[in-house]
Amino acid sequence: GDSVTQMEGPVTLSEEAFLTINCTYTATGYPSLFWYVQYPGEGLQLLLKATKADDKGSNKGFEATYRKETTSFHLEKGSVQVSDSAVYFCALSDRETSGSRLTFGEGTQLTVNP
Amino acid sequence: NAGVTQTPKFRVLKTGQSMTLLCAQDMNHEYMYWYRQDPGMGLRLIHYSVGEGTTAKGEVPDGYNVSRLKKQNFLLGLESAAPSQTSVYFCASSYSLGTGEINQPQHFGDGTRLSIL
Repeated sequence: GDSVTQMEGPVTLSEEAFLTINCTYTATGYPSLFWYVQYPGEGLQLLLKATKADDKGSNKGFEATYRKETTSFHLEKGSVQVSDSAVYFCALSDRETSGSRLTFGEGTQLTVNP
Repeated sequence: NAGVTQTPKFRVLKTGQSMTLLCAQDMNHEYMYWYRQDPGMGLRLIHYSVGEGTTAKGEVPDGYNVSRLKKQNFLLGLESAAPSQTSVYFCASSYSLGTGEINQPQHFGDGTRLSIL
């Protein structure tokens, strides 16, 4: 079945540091890939997405590139801010699966200190 | 912009009690989902629905039932609550483009924190 593996957390960075959160996946079909972010006490929000190989999703300074050859979708940001402190989830959705169901990674807690 | 609304936000139950969590969306989405979130395990799909009057099991359906009598509402029921069901429950919804089409992102509610003693 489908699965998503994220780098273990928590991750603690200083403001303006470079961020990478690794994500790799296994899928039986041709998935769409997503990064969701969860701020404290809130639900998940879509951060960015990519639907085919070599696509780059970007939003709010975050980027991730769909790498089919390495089955990866790593999240990066050049300069993090305190306000980026949250839990980040990598997820996939296989277009051949009914209901557009998402398979999530375990989540990575990011804390950015001033 | 209400989006996805979950009721209640918090609840404490005793073992064996029953309750229903309500999810309502105002985006005319076809698909709706119930997840539970537990520490270190990400989100796991409990049940989902691809349209009014239809439901299907997800990854962890045991101990839960659902109903989708109206397109905008998706109810999650616990008939006899157990401490293992202590969790944060999230409802989500998304557009449908049909199987084989590019999947649309899901929109999430703010969650229901449920404790079972």
